[in-house]
Amino acid sequence: QVQLLESGPGLVKPSETLSLSCNVSGVSISGDSWSWIRQSPGKGLEWIGYLYYTGSINYNPSLKARATISADKSQNQFSLTLRSVTAVDSAVYYCARALRGQLLRLDPWGQGTLVTVSS
Amino acid sequence: QFVLTQPPSVSAAPGEKVTISCSGRFSNIGNNYVSWFQQLPGTAPRLLIYDNNKRHSGIPDRFSGSKSGTSATLDISGLQTADEADFYCGAWDSTLNAVVFGGGTKLTVL
Repeated sequence: QVQLLESGPGLVKPSETLSLSCNVSGVSISGDSWSWIRQSPGKGLEWIGYLYYTGSINYNPSLKARATISADKSQNQFSLTLRSVTAVDSAVYYCARALRGQLLRLDPWGQGTLVTVSS
Repeated sequence: QFVLTQPPSVSAAPGEKVTISCSGRFSNIGNNYVSWFQQLPGTAPRLLIYDNNKRHSGIPDRFSGSKSGTSATLDISGLQTADEADFYCGAWDSTLNAVVFGGGTKLTVL
């Protein structure tokens, strides 16, 4: 059974860097593709980016300048770094597997981790 | 605000059928596959439908998806109170080069 678990600080100060990890169990991250998605409180979903099994990475153009997605195969996890955060970056951040490399075939999802940007 | 347009809410009685619409344009729904996700209160979204009309593993056949032109539809028949949730459509947008989602539709089973 594939499971994903996000981790990272729940509180980040404005202008600083948000760093999250997604630990994957039940499958090697090398054999599939992975995404980060976020959801602002009471709002809809926003796609952040996608790590393809080939190693290529695709970002939402609205976040591309500030976001970095990377993989640590030795730890079987992938990570998200978001620089220069502001209050609008406060959200629940989810990681998800993109089955068979299909961007919208997202399953499973992690439980999500709430990040608040505040001084 | 959201590239894909969904009604904010729908409602129906237990046992009835409800339809949730998702409207876009050629660059997204019109030329790419649509997925549907269900988000139960306090939980992460889960995949219901992918490639417009394929049910994800374990999803009952009460849930069905379809697409026509630049619109997609999620039908839920035999409604149960446990179906109460927010539903989101999503698609790749070839112009924006991004995955885009609808704003979500809250289903109330009266």
